Amino acid sequence: GAGVSQSPSNKVTEKGKDVELRCDPISGHTALYWYRQSLGQGLEFLIYFQGNSAPDKSGLPSDRFSAERTGGSVSTLTIQRTQQEDSAVYLCASSLFYRRGTQYFGPGTRLLVL
Amino acid sequence: GQQLNQSPQSMFIQEGEDVSMNCTSSSIFNTWLWYKQDPGEGPVLLIALYKAGELTSNGRLTAQFGITRKDSFLNISASIPSDVGIYFCAGPEFQGAQKLVFGQGTRLTINP
Repeated sequence: GAGVSQSPSNKVTEKGKDVELRCDPISGHTALYWYRQSLGQGLEFLIYFQGNSAPDKSGLPSDRFSAERTGGSVSTLTIQRTQQEDSAVYLCASSLFYRRGTQYFGPGTRLLVL
Repeated sequence: GQQLNQSPQSMFIQEGEDVSMNCTSSSIFNTWLWYKQDPGEGPVLLIALYKAGELTSNGRLTAQFGITRKDSFLNISASIPSDVGIYFCAGPEFQGAQKLVFGQGTRLTINP
């Protein structure tokens, strides 16, 4: 079946511009997660959705970062006024809420801020 | 917050060799997860461990949940070229948490 999909796969933008990253989770998965992975590093948690609500936004680095989820499905991560340090791979994952830790990841969006 | 430390950071081995890597924490984890990430892809779950002392295999991969609940090990037997990639350990930030904490990864390179 279809896995987690993300778009775009690559994004190059200029410093100061806004970007939107999209995630389509696996159908039926109620939990959705955003992570950030800098070059050669592990994954850094950003935000978690259960349905359309976000019980845990603790990982968002600044108020330039926001995310929403609609219809319990698609999620959009928005970065406003991008900075060069925002350059990273942004990964989305989804899971059935009760499946402890079994998060399924998408291929990621590679963001480069010039 | 909780941190996971993986070692080694990188490994360079010959095809056919066995591989061992580990992950440690200063605090207790109740679930240990091992993921593999290929270049340009998202991490893929290899093995999940839920009980202290548990030993679980997935083909040539075997992982163990340490008795102290502060460590876990992943072994790969008879490595093949497709084992190349970055291996991450991870676990829920606290029991019942949805947020996963990840180690920094072990990068495996195999010489044919």
